[in-house]
Amino acid sequence: AQSVSQHNHHVILSEAASLELGCNYSYGGTVNLFWYVQYPGQHLQLLLKYFSGDPLVKGIKGFEAEFIKSKFSFNLRKPSVQWSDTAEYFCAVNSYNQGGKLIFGQGTELSVKP
Amino acid sequence: EPEVTQTPSHQVTQMGQEVILRCVPISNHLYFYWYRQILGQKVEFLVSFYNNEISEKSEIFDDQFSVERPDGSNFTLKIRSTKLEDSAMYFCASTTGNPSGANVLTFGAGSRLTVL
Repeated sequence: AQSVSQHNHHVILSEAASLELGCNYSYGGTVNLFWYVQYPGQHLQLLLKYFSGDPLVKGIKGFEAEFIKSKFSFNLRKPSVQWSDTAEYFCAVNSYNQGGKLIFGQGTELSVKP
Repeated sequence: EPEVTQTPSHQVTQMGQEVILRCVPISNHLYFYWYRQILGQKVEFLVSFYNNEISEKSEIFDDQFSVERPDGSNFTLKIRSTKLEDSAMYFCASTTGNPSGANVLTFGAGSRLTVL
């Protein structure tokens, strides 16, 4: 069965620090990869996605993620975080030709201190 | 930007009661989903719905759960006899659908269900 693992449950950073959140998945076939963000009191919003092509994808708000197929990873990065990035971040995977069903990681709570 | 809307935002119910959570997906979307998130745990897939029938469901989605699209706009999740462990945030999502799965789900804000 597919699974998604996010290594960090809670990350605390100061503003301007760099961010990297780890995500690994287990599935041997072709996958589509996503990062969603949930700001306090709001709904899940798409940050970025990878379907095919360039493994380095850029999303909204300065976030990017790199798909490394050999490592089954899709880590999220941002060079300089802001207080407004405080949120919960979810990595998610669905497998090719199996519709839109997403498998989520357990989420990483990011707290950015001003 | 089109939104998925969910009602109620929060519902408190007694164990054993029936609950209906409502969702209005984006109008041109064809695939609909329910997910849930128990406090402190990961977001879990419950069910997907296409062409007026369930296309996939998880082990969580037992006989106590049902979904329907009664009027072509609303997409509802019914829990017949709630249990304490049904307390969670329930998210509705929809997408236009792409057979390869290369589509983006748009999520609603969620309905928080508290079972006492």
